[in-house]
Amino acid sequence: GENVEQHPSTLSVQEGDSAVIKCTYSDSASNYFPWYKQELGKRPQLIIDIRSNVGEKKDQRIAVTLNKTAKHFSLHITETQPEDSAVYFCAASRVNTDKLIFGTGTRLQVFP
Amino acid sequence: DAGVIQSPRHEVTEMGQEVTLRCKPISGHNSLFWYRQTMMRGLELLIYFNNNVPIDDSGMPEDRFSAKMPNASFSTLKIQPSEPRDSAVYFCASSLRLAGGWDTQYFGPGTRLTVL
Repeated sequence: GENVEQHPSTLSVQEGDSAVIKCTYSDSASNYFPWYKQELGKRPQLIIDIRSNVGEKKDQRIAVTLNKTAKHFSLHITETQPEDSAVYFCAASRVNTDKLIFGTGTRLQVFP
Repeated sequence: DAGVIQSPRHEVTEMGQEVTLRCKPISGHNSLFWYRQTMMRGLELLIYFNNNVPIDDSGMPEDRFSAKMPNASFSTLKIQPSEPRDSAVYFCASSLRLAGGWDTQYFGPGTRLTVL
């Protein structure tokens, strides 16, 4: 069945360093890949997404890359700040379906 | 825009009691999702509706769980009878599904359910 694996489960970095979170999906028909950030006690919020017709998308300090052949996509955060500390979830879905399959989450801690 | 509204925000109940969680999606959205989040199982999709019709309920854990969407602006998730293992945060999310498009899901603040 559909599955999204996410690694690592926890990630600690020093402020100013980069952080990379990787996800692998199983459904080759997946073509929409959003990333959500969830701060402690808050709701998940979309931070960036990518469609299958592009290989990379960037928004200020965050970027997402997609490798459809290998069926994996990654979130890159540069110049990390303490406020980036949160749990990050990747997800995947097919076009014309609403169902998102979420990864298990990565807890990112940025130390000042 | 008020965003997705959920009530109650916190619910503490005793095992065996009926629990009803409520959700009001963003006005104009036509898809609604119920998720459950726990440390052990992460973020799980329970059921989702499109144009008030249930599309996929394969994530509903068992017959004790039921969900309805009587109109475009209201949905309920009911657990009867509740059990301690149902303790979790329940999120409602909504999106605007367009033909051929990918849709951002917007989450509500969640309901933290504790079953004693």
